[in-house]
Parts: sequence; C-alpha cells; structure tokens
Amino acid sequence: AQSVTQPDIHITVSEGASLELRCNYSYGATPYLFWYVQSPGQGLQLLLKYFSGDTLVQGIKGFEAEFKRSQSSFNLRKPSVHWSDAAEYFCAVGAYNTDKLIFGTGTRLQVFP
Amino acid sequence: NAGVTQTPKFRVLKTGQSMTLLCAQDMNHEYMYWYRQDPGMGLRLIHYSVGEGTTAKGEVPDGYNVSRLKKQNFLLGLESAAPSQTSVYFCASSLLAEPPYNEQFFGPGTRLTVL
Repeated sequence: AQSVTQPDIHITVSEGASLELRCNYSYGATPYLFWYVQSPGQGLQLLLKYFSGDTLVQGIKGFEAEFKRSQSSFNLRKPSVHWSDAAEYFCAVGAYNTDKLIFGTGTRLQVFP
Repeated sequence: NAGVTQTPKFRVLKTGQSMTLLCAQDMNHEYMYWYRQDPGMGLRLIHYSVGEGTTAKGEVPDGYNVSRLKKQNFLLGLESAAPSQTSVYFCASSLLAEPPYNEQFFGPGTRLTVL
C-alpha cells in the first residue's frame, strides 16, 4: 500500500541553524513528490515539487529537497533557518496512475531565537 | 484572482444539525478535493472530483456528501453532524492529476466544531 512517513513529529532548532526534515515514501509506481508548508491558521502553500530530472530541487523561501530513489526519501533542507520558518511541514506523494496525493502526518518546526 | 476560497471560516454546530461547506476556485481547475485535518493525522481525503458532475470517495467519506454542479464550486455536506466531525476542513484544486499540472492549491480552511 502507498504511504508517506514523516518520522519527526516535532523539531526544534535555533535561528540560523541548518534544518533537515525527513520524508520517506512507499510507492509501487514512479512517484512525484511535494513539500507543503502550513503557517498557523493558514492553508497549505507549496514549497517545492519533484517530477523528474535533477534530483535536487530548489523551492521558495530558500528551501531545497533531494530525491533519493534508493532510499525512498525526499528530505527537505534549509541551510539557515529564520524565525518565520516556524510552521508545520507536510510531505506528499502521488503517481501517474492516481488522481490523489497522499500526505504525511506533518512535522512541526519550532525556531528559537 | 482569488485562488481557492472557502465559506464559512468558522462554524459551531450541535450534534444532529446539518450544514454545507462551500469551496470555490477561479483557476478553471478540473480537479477538486476536500480534506480534513486532525492533530497528529495530517490531511485525510474525504471526497474528490475529477470534473463537473463527477465525484468520488476518498479515504474517510462516511458522514459526508459532496456535489460538483458547477466546475468552479465543490460543496461538502454534513447531513447529521457528530462530534467526531469536529475538525479543520480544507478544500484544494488542481488543473489535472498528471504532472506537472497536479500541484494542489489550498483554501484557507474552515474550522468546524460539533458540540
């Protein structure tokens, strides 16, 4: 069965520190992958997406993610976190043969000054 | 260009009452989705639509009905609300289901409390 796992429920980092949020998927078909961010009380906003090609993708707000097929992972990274990055982050996966995306349970990021 | 809008933003219901949540998009998208978000459970798909006049069940469809009479609107109905339906509801739309047109655009959400 298709699934998306975000192993970290809650992560706390200091402002200026680097960040990596983990996402692992289980999918029979060739996946396409998304990272969304949700600020408190808001809807979800797309950070970046991977369909094909270069496995390192750049997104908005200085985020990047790397698709590693051998590890079934699509981890989100940022070299220096800002206080405004505090939010909940969702990984999602889909495929060419489905109408739907499957979302992970999310990782809540807290940033300390 | 408003994107995806949801009405209402907040609602409190008593058990057994009914209500309809409205989602509207002005991007001429074919696909529309209703999700619910609960703490620790991420987003779960309730129902979705692949075009005007069509709907399909998602992961958690029980207790909900939907209609897509117009391409730009997707309605979510609760016929007899239960406390278990207390949640934040999100609507989303995408142009198509195939990449690169399958990015889902989300509305701001509706916070529903059932007493």
